[in-house]
Amino acid sequence: AAGVIQSPRHLIKEKRETATLKCYPIPRHDTVYWYQQGPGQDPQFLISFYEKMQSDKGSIPDRFSAQQFSDYHSELNMSSLELGDSALYFCASSLGTGGPRNYGYTFGSGTRLTVV
Amino acid sequence: GEDVEQSLFLSVREGDSSVINCTYTDSSSTYLYWYKQEPGAGLQLLTYIFSNMDMKQDQRLTVLLNKKDKHLSLRIADTQTGDSAIYFCAESSSGNTGKLIFGQGTTLQVKP
Repeated sequence: AAGVIQSPRHLIKEKRETATLKCYPIPRHDTVYWYQQGPGQDPQFLISFYEKMQSDKGSIPDRFSAQQFSDYHSELNMSSLELGDSALYFCASSLGTGGPRNYGYTFGSGTRLTVV
Repeated sequence: GEDVEQSLFLSVREGDSSVINCTYTDSSSTYLYWYKQEPGAGLQLLTYIFSNMDMKQDQRLTVLLNKKDKHLSLRIADTQTGDSAIYFCAESSSGNTGKLIFGQGTTLQVKP
């Protein structure tokens, strides 16, 4: 079965550079969630989209922006990168916003961003 | 506000039962979840429980929920070395947007 695809798997950037992370949801899923997991930390919710509109917002820095496109894939844009942005960034997708109990809420394998 | 807490580390011997505990604060949470994360991997949903249930069993996994104390536990029977991982409990935030609030994660170490 198709899963959530995130690209790239690994990314190394220097401080003050920009990075773009991509997430391709499971076919027919209309909702995308972004989470940030720092080293040894729990995943922290950043932002979500339902039908190409922002549906919820968490602790996402102003330097970050995201959108969901007409084909439902999503991109997380990160500017003026800081060392503290080094983390594993997960995307999850689902059909509807009901949460993991149904609608196939599935996490991707993540993008590991290292800022040097 | 919403907060989820877990103990950080648990070590058991292969074949023993493991019990991972979690407390949460959002009394409006309708579903509570357990995720497993192996090193360098994504988050795998293990099981979940609806807030009007006390217990749910799924093969080797048993979830107990004490709604009054806002306490959730995951019991793994006959723990195997392949169960070594980080286990996160999570609650859905109020507002039904599907956003998850995770605990800090419990590292389960299974010794042969």
